[in-house]
Amino acid sequence: DTEVTQTPKHLVMGMTNKKSLKCEQHMGHRAMYWYKQKAKKPPELMFVYSYEKLSINESVPSRFSPECPNSSLLNLHLHALQPEDSALYLCASSQDFAFVSGRANEQFFGPGTRLTVL
Amino acid sequence: SQQGEEDPQALSIQEGENATMNCSYKTSINNLQWYRQNSGRGLVHLILIRSNEREKHSGRLRVTLDTSKKSSSLLITASRAADTASYFCAFRDDKIIFGKGTRLHILP
Repeated sequence: DTEVTQTPKHLVMGMTNKKSLKCEQHMGHRAMYWYKQKAKKPPELMFVYSYEKLSINESVPSRFSPECPNSSLLNLHLHALQPEDSALYLCASSQDFAFVSGRANEQFFGPGTRLTVL
Repeated sequence: SQQGEEDPQALSIQEGENATMNCSYKTSINNLQWYRQNSGRGLVHLILIRSNEREKHSGRLRVTLDTSKKSSSLLITASRAADTASYFCAFRDDKIIFGKGTRLHILP
């Protein structure tokens, strides 16, 4: 199984809602990533988990809260978002994290969750 | 900004022609990767070239790397309609950074 799955595919939420994005991979990868992508822009790294521990937080606002319950799952909890947070949220995984291993690893991306904040 | 610069930003060519996209970066790298993204979907890894390599091929893809000029190019030969997508270079600093991307449109 070389697939990264993300749910839901689409999410519309109000600024007072609490929701979660989910990501799953069964490739035995030990690094997992959250990216945010606005239209016609490249993905921007938000968080990196390596061996289930948060390795990188790119100064992301606290209204985004990542969680890695186990090596196959990655969640992104959303609370009190702003309309400007509307974007495509991409999850990715790689065999391990280059910063730890010293190697760059191919990342496998999920199809993304299209988030709209009203 | 640590982002890579890619040019052109957008490229439209006839089916069957070759497409060339360029990526420039500012940092020292150990390798550079190219990804493709179909509209509004996840990215797909295309090819990785290491800093000690100058050229690499994969099917209809040819990637070059010039570390002295801090630039890389992606050539797609004999383009097809299915090649219509955005193409990003990505390189590693202490994390993976994506270039601004080239939107390629193959005309029938």
